[in-house]
Amino acid sequence: DTGVSQDPRHKITKRGQNVTFRCDPISEHNRLYWYRQTLGQGPEFLTYFQNEAQLEKSRLLSDRFSAERPKGSFSTLEIQRTEQGDSAMYLCASSSTHQPQHFGDGTRLSIL
Amino acid sequence: QKEVEQDPGPLSVPEGAIVSLNCTYSNSAFQYFMWYRQYSRKGPELLMYTYSSGNKEDGRFTAQVDKSSKYISLFIRDSQPSDSATYLCAMTPEGDKLIFGTGTRLQVFP
Repeated sequence: DTGVSQDPRHKITKRGQNVTFRCDPISEHNRLYWYRQTLGQGPEFLTYFQNEAQLEKSRLLSDRFSAERPKGSFSTLEIQRTEQGDSAMYLCASSSTHQPQHFGDGTRLSIL
Repeated sequence: QKEVEQDPGPLSVPEGAIVSLNCTYSNSAFQYFMWYRQYSRKGPELLMYTYSSGNKEDGRFTAQVDKSSKYISLFIRDSQPSDSATYLCAMTPEGDKLIFGTGTRLQVFP
């Protein structure tokens, strides 16, 4: 399978805990995006990387959120001190520059 | 007002019908337009990708972009029960972050 891979598929955690998600993009893609999707809504942009450089962050990305793409390949998204409102599907997408984005199947985060 | 408006549906049609899905937008800077299909508990799957105005056809799917009216459409011919999903329009001014509609839930019944 050469698509975008996300891990884990589902994460259940208690409020206040830290969580980390991983995304492996399509290998030849230089851009990697993170989005968040809540029930009945379209995905909302969080941040994106071109190679290892983080080029843009949404105001939705509070200081409890941090994303990295250390070697321009896989990326991690960490949420510290999780809150109920963080419950959502976290989607990763990748693309080549100015080409359409291809999405993974997401990580569903549930906060108890 | 949202930058991209999309009727959430649900839209229920019989098998074989022609389906029309639409989005309107307010930002005239949008240049790239996409339609994604999303099944329950899965990620969005790219269906159609259009740059600027015009029509694009791929099998049973046709995408139309009318930049003068800030209106995009997706037509599905000979709809099948397997087309039952949520359809998301998305657009971007410079080919980077996507702005999505809320999605239209489509159900095709046999």
